[in-house]
Amino acid sequence: QSVLTQPPSVSAAPGQKVTISCSGSSSNIGNNYVSWYQQLPGTAPKLLIYDNNKRPSGIPDRFSGSKSGTSATLGITGLQTGDEADYYCGTWDSSLSAGRVVFGGGTKLTVL
Amino acid sequence: QVQLVESGGGLVKPGGSLRLSCAASGFTFSDYYMSWIRQAPGKGLEWVSYISSSSSYTNYADSVKGRFTISRDNAKNSLYLQMNSLRAEDTAVYYCARDRGTVVTHNHDFDYWGQGTLVTVSS
Repeated sequence: QSVLTQPPSVSAAPGQKVTISCSGSSSNIGNNYVSWYQQLPGTAPKLLIYDNNKRPSGIPDRFSGSKSGTSATLGITGLQTGDEADYYCGTWDSSLSAGRVVFGGGTKLTVL
Repeated sequence: QVQLVESGGGLVKPGGSLRLSCAASGFTFSDYYMSWIRQAPGKGLEWVSYISSSSSYTNYADSVKGRFTISRDNAKNSLYLQMNSLRAEDTAVYYCARDRGTVVTHNHDFDYWGQGTLVTVSS
């Protein structure tokens, strides 16, 4: 059971837009920055979004991030078949004395 | 370009030990926190541990606290994970990742990852 809740799967057609939600609490998303990762099949995760809504160099602006209260959202526009992957949100959680990094359970994106 | 290359994975019996290494290049290793993150077969990501740039601070997931030890050698641009008392549930691909967070900001995100090394704990 992950601390952050993501839908197990989402799907959309090529060219369309999709959003992936990440729900948490005041001890994690509510008071910390959120990052998003893309994991293509058989590869290591790749940073897509950091500090809630910033894109690293080389990440196309089709990918966007937002945060409101204790939830965050990843948006992908102009879907391509190459976007089929698992997507994870992550943040810091301060509910335990030492704190910890937590991830969502992941969302599998299918581009139909 | 930034490169992280893990090594040291393999098959180990329950209760055994293993030491993972991560060789870093293409950036000033001593400027960054580093983390280990693992992924059990068919499962999601689980953060394992981080270490500060000068080794002053470390932090561990509850699932590995007391059994795993993270360390680094800045002179060798290398990160390590000593894993003792291994259990079947420690079976996973272990990734090292460059960590942009600090003990002050807690802004932990991971901008570069290695290719991972598989650890299998089985009798």
